[in-house]
Amino acid sequence: DVKVTQSSRYLVKRTGEKVFLECVQDMDHENMFWYRQDPGLGLRLIYFSYDVKMKEKGDIPEGYSVSREKKERFSLILESASTNQTSMYLCASSSSGSSYEQYFGPGTRLTVT
Amino acid sequence: AQKVTQAQTEISVVEKEDVTLDCVYETRDTTYYLFWYKQPPSGELVFLIRRNSFDEQNEISGRYSWNFQKSTSSFNFTITASQVVDSAVYFCALSEAPGNTGKLIFGQGTTLQVKP
Repeated sequence: DVKVTQSSRYLVKRTGEKVFLECVQDMDHENMFWYRQDPGLGLRLIYFSYDVKMKEKGDIPEGYSVSREKKERFSLILESASTNQTSMYLCASSSSGSSYEQYFGPGTRLTVT
Repeated sequence: AQKVTQAQTEISVVEKEDVTLDCVYETRDTTYYLFWYKQPPSGELVFLIRRNSFDEQNEISGRYSWNFQKSTSSFNFTITASQVVDSAVYFCALSEAPGNTGKLIFGQGTTLQVKP
């Protein structure tokens, strides 16, 4: 069974803090993704990584950065958290190629106050 | 440009009713994949089905069925005899093109509420 885990289910941070969201997958997947989910907007891709140390911007990368030092781990970093980054963050992984489904973690609900 | 539209934002039915969730997509690619995911209240998206663009056969899995029609660019999902456990947000997604990136384009999601 594919397992994607995220470091926290709920997180509360203050404006201006640096925030790290961690994601780990155990299926040796090449691709990893970070999304944010907001009501009425569906899932929006923040960043994508197709290999270790390789990353690509998604649709809404502003205010975020990522790190992938090991194949199984993909971190999302909010350099200076702002209230408009309050959201549900979802991590996913998949095998390389467009025919493969993505497997999702349980999500982290981040509140920035 | 590629796009997935789920026009139904919320649907509410009574248990045992049949319900169809609509999905319309836009792509210029000839080879593509379509997906459906379920997001229960726990939050984790669960993969339901994948369909490639060359296979227009309808698929049935228990109470779930999918109708793929290239002529209308639709990939609709029907739940027969709905149950309370079917209450969730359902997402339709399209593989991004060109290229073999593995990225998906998601619709906005349809929230299904099944009342007892």
